[in-house]
Amino acid sequence: GQQLNQSPQSMFIQEGEDVSMNCTSSSIFNTWLWYKQDPGEGPVLLIALYKAGELTSNGRLTAQFGITRKDSFLNISASIPSDVGIYFCAGELAQKLVFGQGTRLTINP
Amino acid sequence: ETGVTQTPRHLVMGMTNKKSLKCEQHLGHNAMYWYKQSAKKPLELMFVYSLEERVENNSVPSRFSPECPNSSHLFLHLHTLQPEDSALYLCASSITDSTSTSYGYTFGSGTRLTVV
Repeated sequence: GQQLNQSPQSMFIQEGEDVSMNCTSSSIFNTWLWYKQDPGEGPVLLIALYKAGELTSNGRLTAQFGITRKDSFLNISASIPSDVGIYFCAGELAQKLVFGQGTRLTINP
Repeated sequence: ETGVTQTPRHLVMGMTNKKSLKCEQHLGHNAMYWYKQSAKKPLELMFVYSLEERVENNSVPSRFSPECPNSSHLFLHLHTLQPEDSALYLCASSITDSTSTSYGYTFGSGTRLTVV
């Protein structure tokens, strides 16, 4: 079946540092999505990418849809305490989302 | 408020009980989904409804029975569940175009289900 490899699995950083995470797949997707999930809540959409090569920003977040349509990265600049949580990538094809395993971000003040 | 509302937020049920999870979306979307999130596993797609028709049943056991009476409401009927079915059940909705590309894929807050 389709699988997404998301890395790193966890990150421990200092407040103010930049963060980078990525997802790769052996399958091609139409859309790449990045979500953040807080404990006890559902995933919240951060950035959606619909075209290969697309680079999109949302405040301090920047994400890119890889040219091969098999990968994507998410960068967070100047991290703040509320960035703590689990970040998921998801590839979409024919309405179905395939999720990565998540990156748990911990920030030391 | 995400626009996708799930009730109840928490549910504890015995293995012989019958219960239902409810999802409602106010986003004007035309597709709705059920996902399962278990500890230490990626989110897994269970069911897809597009224009109120089920288009995907991802090898889910028959003890889970979905129902989509209209484009705004989605139910998951549960009966004779097992303890390993304990998980966070998430509903989502999207707009899907004629090429089956989905936009605005939005999740609810989930129902935390515990089977005892």
